[in-house]
Amino acid sequence: QQQVKQSPQSLIVQKGGISIINCAYENTAFDYFPWYQQFPGKGPALLIAIRPDVSEKKEGRFTISFNKSAKQFSLHIMDSQPGDSATYFCAAKAAGNQFYFGTGTSLTVIP
Amino acid sequence: DVKVTQSSRYLVKRTGEKVFLECVQDMDHENMFWYRQDPGLGLRLIYFSYDVKMKEKGDIPEGYSVSREKKERFSLILESASTNQTSMYLCASRSTGGNQPQHFGDGTRLSIL
Repeated sequence: QQQVKQSPQSLIVQKGGISIINCAYENTAFDYFPWYQQFPGKGPALLIAIRPDVSEKKEGRFTISFNKSAKQFSLHIMDSQPGDSATYFCAAKAAGNQFYFGTGTSLTVIP
Repeated sequence: DVKVTQSSRYLVKRTGEKVFLECVQDMDHENMFWYRQDPGLGLRLIYFSYDVKMKEKGDIPEGYSVSREKKERFSLILESASTNQTSMYLCASRSTGGNQPQHFGDGTRLSIL
């Protein structure tokens, strides 16, 4: 059973456009929601993260929007660039150590 | 910067072999993890360890075991490799406490023939 559901599976965006990736969860005990970026041949790297008591967090062109009541969170990439082309994973952490990952979104930004 | 190093980038083994995947982290993290990554399935947790000689099963532990004899090193063992264990294997480490992220190695792509 997938604890964190991620969509879309793949996304193609024009350079300069906005990329939006969505995730949903059921477990209200999750207390930390990171997003990871993975380039081919590399491991996932932390991009940005949010706590459930915050509705939005912005770092440069990357923003997480968090809707606690709907149990949804999303990643917005503003002014998308070809260098943003990668696979993105959302995740959620339960109490303790266990992280649950979404199935990933392959983003392609075309020039 | 945290560095998580996986000993092999690519590995090819035969069915029935015992396979060892090694992972080392340099940040004195208490917690270490092994995941496998398959297309369309995301990252699935195999085992994790929160201290030396301590281990916990993740979501898909069948066919795998782990060893953590030193804090910086976490090994994944395929007792008798099978073709359905062909996958990308990712190691991660994490500090205990609060909202600390996991730090990943670059993975080992394992093929079982």
